[in-house]
Order: sequence, then C-alpha cells, then structure tokens
Amino acid sequence: KAGVTQTPRYLIKTRGQQVTLSCSPISGHRSVSWYQQTPGQGLQFLFEYFSETQRNKGNFPGRFSGRQFSNSRSEMNVSTLELGDSALYLCASSSNGFGQQNSPLHFGNGTRLTVT
Amino acid sequence: QKEVEQNSGPLSVPEGAIASLNCTYSDRGSQSFFWYRQYSGKSPELIMFIYSNGDKEDGRFTAQLNKASQYVSLLIRDSQPSDSATYLCAVGRWAGSYQLTFGKGTKLSVIP
Repeated sequence: KAGVTQTPRYLIKTRGQQVTLSCSPISGHRSVSWYQQTPGQGLQFLFEYFSETQRNKGNFPGRFSGRQFSNSRSEMNVSTLELGDSALYLCASSSNGFGQQNSPLHFGNGTRLTVT
Repeated sequence: QKEVEQNSGPLSVPEGAIASLNCTYSDRGSQSFFWYRQYSGKSPELIMFIYSNGDKEDGRFTAQLNKASQYVSLLIRDSQPSDSATYLCAVGRWAGSYQLTFGKGTKLSVIP
C-alpha cells in the first residue's frame, strides 16, 4: 500500500506570498490531519478533515486554511507568509471514521517551507 | 490545555543496553497513546501504540501505560546505533473529532 504522499518536498517563498501544499492519504483513509513542526514548538496541530469537512482546528491564525476533496486528497494554504511560518509541514492520514476511533496517524514525508 | 511532557534529553545509552523513554500527559480523558520515531530531517514513523493499562511488546520495543498516574513509557531493549533518533510521545482523545497531542520529543543517542 502506498503511503501518504506530500508535494512539494521543498518550497522557498518570500514574505507576503501565499503557498499551497498538497497531500494524498493512504488509500482508503478518509481522515487527513495537518501539523506544523518547528524546532522550538515541536509538532503543532493545524486541522483535521474528514469527508470534505473540517472537524477540528488548532490555534493558528486564519491565514492557515485547508480543504479536502471527494477523493480524500487535501490541500493546505498559507496566505501572507511570515518569516515565522518557516517550518516542516506534515500531513497524516488515518482510518478514523465517523464514530469514536483512535487509529494511529501515518505521516507523509513533509513539505519543508522556508520563508525569506 | 492538553499537555504532553517529555524529557528533551539527550539520553545517551551504550549499544546493547535498555533505553527507557518517559512521557506524562495532563488530559485524564486520553484514550490512545503512541510512540513515534523521527530521524533528523525525516517525518515521524509510528513504532508502537497502546490503549489499555499494562505492557505491550513488539520485538525489542515495549510500551507501558499507567492511566492512573497519567504516564506512558517506551523501553528499547538491546539498543542499536540505528535507534538513535528523537522519540515523540503522542496522546489522543476522541471528542467529536480526533486529535493527537504530541510531546516535544526525547533525543536518544546509542553509543557504539
């Protein structure tokens, strides 16, 4: 089974620009979560999507947004980039569904974003 | 504010020894507990998960959970230099949706 695929692997942007990151989950997984990882803050939850609906959102400004498509692929967008947005952005999928489930998250290789 | 605490390390152990990694969490309603391994520059890789109190063994790895003490640990037996990585503890809870909260990780160094 193919794993979680994230594109692109690396991005360099300048302040004020916007960026879109893409994630394809493991086949059959409908839950997709996004995390930001920085050396100082560790892994911080951005949002989770299931069946094209955002089910949960972390404490990030509105510049961070996402969406999920009917094939469970997800995109994340960051507008008006700031230097502090430089980080590794990780997408993870799970088999968690409608009911109470606690399946593990499986991570993609991440997109490393550098804002200059 | 749900918190997951880990000693940042580095934890240094000699090759062949047992490495013990610890994690505490603040949310008493937590239901699922995971250990991820992350090599430098790579993404986290799931190595163990545990849902019930007690021990769970998988090869050289043993996860231990004590919900009363809000404590979860990972033991790595016969540590190898290839085990040198950062180990992330993650705690999950279902509350209408599912969210994992991660600790900042413990850096393990296995000395040949």
